[in-house]
Amino acid sequence: DGGITQSPKYLFRKEGQNVTLSCEQNLNHDAMYWYRQDPGQGLRLIYYSQIVNDFQKGDIAEGYSVSREKKESFPLTVTSAQKNPTAFYLCASTERGGTDTQYFGPGTRLTVL
Amino acid sequence: AQSVTQLGSHVSVSEGALVLLRCNYSSSVPPYLFWYVQYPNQGLQLLLKYTTGATLVKGINGFEAEFKKSETSFHLTKPSAHMSDAAEYFCAVSGEGYNKLIFGAGTRLAVHP
Repeated sequence: DGGITQSPKYLFRKEGQNVTLSCEQNLNHDAMYWYRQDPGQGLRLIYYSQIVNDFQKGDIAEGYSVSREKKESFPLTVTSAQKNPTAFYLCASTERGGTDTQYFGPGTRLTVL
Repeated sequence: AQSVTQLGSHVSVSEGALVLLRCNYSSSVPPYLFWYVQYPNQGLQLLLKYTTGATLVKGINGFEAEFKKSETSFHLTKPSAHMSDAAEYFCAVSGEGYNKLIFGAGTRLAVHP
């Protein structure tokens, strides 16, 4: 089955620690996206990548980093610089770009203890 | 700049009643418009999208939306609500460079017997 996988589903982190969220797709899509979801705020774009080895900041990139070394993988690192990292994180991909349908993974819920 | 406003963070309807979820957008370029649905603790899935052409767009699960350029609206409707329609619904517009989506804050739909 083609789709997007995110792991882990739940993640707990102590303050001051970096943590990496995994996102893998086997849809052969060019573009991938990371969103943060908080109650009542919808989805806010963190980073996106349209091709391998290239990525752009979204609206709330501070305190996050990404890499795109392989077409199918787009991991997100939440660094200790992120002031309020507790949230639901969603990864998505599209065949080419922003006018195509976005396919979403099941999400990772990050809680900072 | 692109933006999306969803009127009403919570909407409640009776089973069998009309569902109307409102979405207004702002766009400096011809918009691509989307409605996505999210069930609890899951990713989003596409309901329908407007690209060009016919302004009435039909989607999955009996939903449809009408693009009204003069009103900058893309409201989502369904003639008869089912209990299974209870979820959160997000409207989105393509970004100015057509390389990303801008999401609204979401509307949570409750369906009661």
